[in-house]
Amino acid sequence: DGGITQSPKYLFRKEGQNVTLSCEQNLNHDAMYWYRQDPGQGLRLIYYSQIVNDFQKGDIAEGYSVSREKKESFPLTVTSAQKNPTAFYLCASSPDAAHNEQFFGPGTRLTVL
Amino acid sequence: DQQVKQNSPSLSVQEGRISILNCDYTNSMFDYFLWYKKYPAEGPTFLISISSIKDKNEDGRFTVFLNKSAKHLSLHIVPSQPGDSAVYFCAASARGGGSEKLVFGKGMKLTVNP
Repeated sequence: DGGITQSPKYLFRKEGQNVTLSCEQNLNHDAMYWYRQDPGQGLRLIYYSQIVNDFQKGDIAEGYSVSREKKESFPLTVTSAQKNPTAFYLCASSPDAAHNEQFFGPGTRLTVL
Repeated sequence: DQQVKQNSPSLSVQEGRISILNCDYTNSMFDYFLWYKKYPAEGPTFLISISSIKDKNEDGRFTVFLNKSAKHLSLHIVPSQPGDSAVYFCAASARGGGSEKLVFGKGMKLTVNP
C-alpha cells in the first residue's frame, strides 16, 4: 500500500557527527518537504523539492542539506553546523507544487547526545 | 512574525460536547486553509480544508468555518470523542505562491474526557 516511510523512528548521534534521515514515498508525488517540530513551535519548513534534481531552502535551512536524485526519495542530512539538532523531523509529500494538501510520514526523533 | 496563530495552547472538553479550535492569520494572501491532527510521535494527518471562496466546509463531525474579514477560522468537532484527543494544527497557504509555503500554527492540544 502507498505511503511515506521514514526510518528509523528513533535516532541517536553524538555531537559533531553528521546524520542522514531517510524519507521514501511510493505515492508518485512530485513535491517533497522536510519539517522539524519542537515543543511549542509547530512545524517549521527546512527544505522542499518540487521536482527531481531540484530543491529550495525553507525557513530554517541552516545546518541542513538535502538531495533529490530520485522522485521517491528525499534524504535530509543534519550536519554538525546545526546548533540544536535534537528534534522531531517530519517528511511530507504532495502530488505537485500546486496541490496544497501534504501527506506526512511517521517522523524520526533525532537525539544528539 | 507569526502568520498563523493558534493562541490557546490547550483545550479540555467532555465527551459528547462541542470542541471549538480557533486559528487566526495575518497574511491576506492566504486563500487555502487546512487542519491537521497529530498524535504523539506520529506524523500529522490531514483532517479538513477550506478554500477562501467558501465560509464553511463540513465533513462528518468536523466543520471548519472561515471569516475572511476577521482573518479567522475555527474547527468545530461535534460530538467530541476521546479518540479526538490530539494536537491540532492549523495551516494556511497562498495558492498563487505555490504550495511549498504551507505555514503552520503552533498547534493546540485537545483533550476529550470520557
